[in-house]
Amino acid sequence: DTEVTQTPKHLVMGMTNKKSLKCEQHMGHRAMYWYKQKAKKPPELMFVYSYEKLSINESVPSRFSPECPNSSLLNLHLHALQPEDSALYLCASSRGAGEKLFFGSGTQLSVL
Amino acid sequence: GENVEQHPSTLSVQEGDSAVIKCTYSDSASNYFPWYKQELGKGPQLIIDIRSNVGEKKDQRIAVTLNKTAKHFSLHITETQPEDSAVYFCAASRVSGYSTLTFGKGTMLLVSP
Repeated sequence: DTEVTQTPKHLVMGMTNKKSLKCEQHMGHRAMYWYKQKAKKPPELMFVYSYEKLSINESVPSRFSPECPNSSLLNLHLHALQPEDSALYLCASSRGAGEKLFFGSGTQLSVL
Repeated sequence: GENVEQHPSTLSVQEGDSAVIKCTYSDSASNYFPWYKQELGKGPQLIIDIRSNVGEKKDQRIAVTLNKTAKHFSLHITETQPEDSAVYFCAASRVSGYSTLTFGKGTMLLVSP
C-alpha cells in the first residue's frame, strides 16, 4: 500500500473562516510533508515533520499552522487566508531521510 | 542551493513515438533524481528514480539516464500512448538530510492518437 490519503478533495472558504486539511498514511513512514502547488507550477515545500516533530518550516506565514498528532496523521490548520493562498495543497510522506517521496491527491483550496 | 532546469516546457508527439525530457542540475552533491507524473486533478506520482551510483535505469517503457559529469539527467518514454499525456516533473536532492526535493518547472506531454 503506497497511498497517502487527503481530505477534503475540494474546499472553498472565506477569508475569515477557519478550516483544516487532513492527511493520513499507513505505510509506516516517519517523515511527512506539506507542499503548495499553484497551477502550472511545481510543488513548493511548506513544512516537514520527522518523527512527529517539525523539522523544516520554509518561512510559511503563520496563517498556516501544521500539526502532527501521530506518526500516521498530518493536519494543516488554516485561518484568515488570502485569495492568493488559493492552490492545490499536497501532503507527502517518505520512509525517512532521502527516501522516495509519495504524494497524496491533494486538496484544491479556493479562498474567496 | 540547488537549481533544476527542465526542457522542453511542452512536448507533443504522435502515439507510438518516443518522448525525451531533459533536466540539468547545479549542485554536484545532489545524488537522487526522481521523476514524477502528474495528471489533471491528481497529485504527482513517482514513476522512476535514479541514484548517482547508477548511469541508467529502465522500467518497461520508461528509462532514465544520468550523466554526473555534465550534471544532467533525462527521461525517455518509448511507444507513447495517449494515457502518457500529463505533466512530468524532474527533481534532485541529496540523500542525506530530508527529502527536500528541488523540482524542475515541468513538461506538459501531449500524446495524440
